[in-house]
Amino acid sequence: NAGVTQTPKFQVLKTGQSMTLQCAQDMNHNSMYWYRQDPGMGLRLIYYSASEGTTDKGEVPNGYNVSRLNKREFSLRLESAAPSQTSVYFCASSRGDTSYEQYFGPGTRLTVT
Amino acid sequence: QQPVQSPQAVILREGEDAVINCSSSKALYSVHWYRQKHGEAPVFLMILLKGGEQKGHEKISASFNEKKQQSSLYLTASQLSYSGTYFCGTANFGNEKLTFGTGTRLTIIP
Repeated sequence: NAGVTQTPKFQVLKTGQSMTLQCAQDMNHNSMYWYRQDPGMGLRLIYYSASEGTTDKGEVPNGYNVSRLNKREFSLRLESAAPSQTSVYFCASSRGDTSYEQYFGPGTRLTVT
Repeated sequence: QQPVQSPQAVILREGEDAVINCSSSKALYSVHWYRQKHGEAPVFLMILLKGGEQKGHEKISASFNEKKQQSSLYLTASQLSYSGTYFCGTANFGNEKLTFGTGTRLTIIP
């Protein structure tokens, strides 16, 4: 089992460009999450999907959109990248609600110039 | 609301013990603990649920004081491999999402 995979690993964008971060899990998990991690800020939730077909905002959703394509895949889109979106992005999945552990992907390091 | 972790950083020698605390201003349903090594993804350590159930898979223990809305992670006889940043994540009742603290950086020296 690969667990949670993310692509790409690294990306450099210019201000105003768009891109989609891909995430997939092979553990048949119901819930999936997108976090961003900035130095000294811990992990902040951008969006999550409690089940296939549903998505909800987290703490910092502005400037992002998500799609739960199917049970396996959950993508994060930046429509018009800004330097403030420079960060490390982690996708995670879990069997269900917060009584279950979350499994994290390896992360995408994004730089916006 | 973000939980507060303490201390922010600690340096220990191998074999010493450490306690990392996590407190919330709201009633808690669950507390998660994760460890992250530099340049890597967070890795699950333990979950503590209201009512006392605990789930974990390492030789690390934790407590959950529901009345005080606090959790503590206990690392005993620390090893070099324990180095990293420890995060607690908290969830309130009926909440499907975690809110993470800002982390505690643990450095173990030989």
